[in-house]
Amino acid sequence: AQSVSQHNHHVILSEAASLELGCNYSYGGTVNLFWYVQYPGQHLQLLLKYFSGDPLVKGIKGFEAEFIKSKFSFNLRKPSVQWSDTAEYFCAVTGDDKIIFGKGTRLHILP
Amino acid sequence: DAGVIQSPRHEVTEMGQEVTLRCKPISGHNSLFWYRQTMMRGLELLIYFNNNVPIDDSGMPEDRFSAKMPNASFSTLKIQPSEPRDSAVYFCASSLMGGGISYEQYFGPGTRLTVT
Repeated sequence: AQSVSQHNHHVILSEAASLELGCNYSYGGTVNLFWYVQYPGQHLQLLLKYFSGDPLVKGIKGFEAEFIKSKFSFNLRKPSVQWSDTAEYFCAVTGDDKIIFGKGTRLHILP
Repeated sequence: DAGVIQSPRHEVTEMGQEVTLRCKPISGHNSLFWYRQTMMRGLELLIYFNNNVPIDDSGMPEDRFSAKMPNASFSTLKIQPSEPRDSAVYFCASSLMGGGISYEQYFGPGTRLTVT
């Protein structure tokens, strides 16, 4: 069965720190991978996506993610976070017309 | 496009009452999703439709919940009777899906439901 695991439920960082949020999935077929962000009080918005091609994808606001097929991972990174990055981040995987979201990681940036 | 439209944005009702949440997906999208989000349980997929047909309703909590999609531009999620534990934010999302590919979902602003 498909599954998505986000290892960190809550992350606290200071401004300018580097960020890496883990996402691992379990699925045997071809997948599409997504990261969504939910700012406080708002709805989910797409941050970036991977369908095929270059496994390093760049999204909005300086975020990037790397698809490592051998590790079934799609970790989200940002070299220097800002206070405005405080939000909840969701990894999602689709395949065979199914979509599964991870449980989310709450990121809190200290000013 | 105006994006995914949900109504109402806020709903306060008493236990036992019927609640109907509405969603208008983005024009041209063929898939529609209903989610529930709470602090305790996080984001849960309740049901999704493809070409107006329910594909996966395994996330619907119980028989009190029902969802319909009578046409490509409208869907409802109904709770009857409502209970305090149904209090949550309900999101609707739409996307394109086909050929084994599911494209990104676009989420509506959500309906905050409070059942007293």
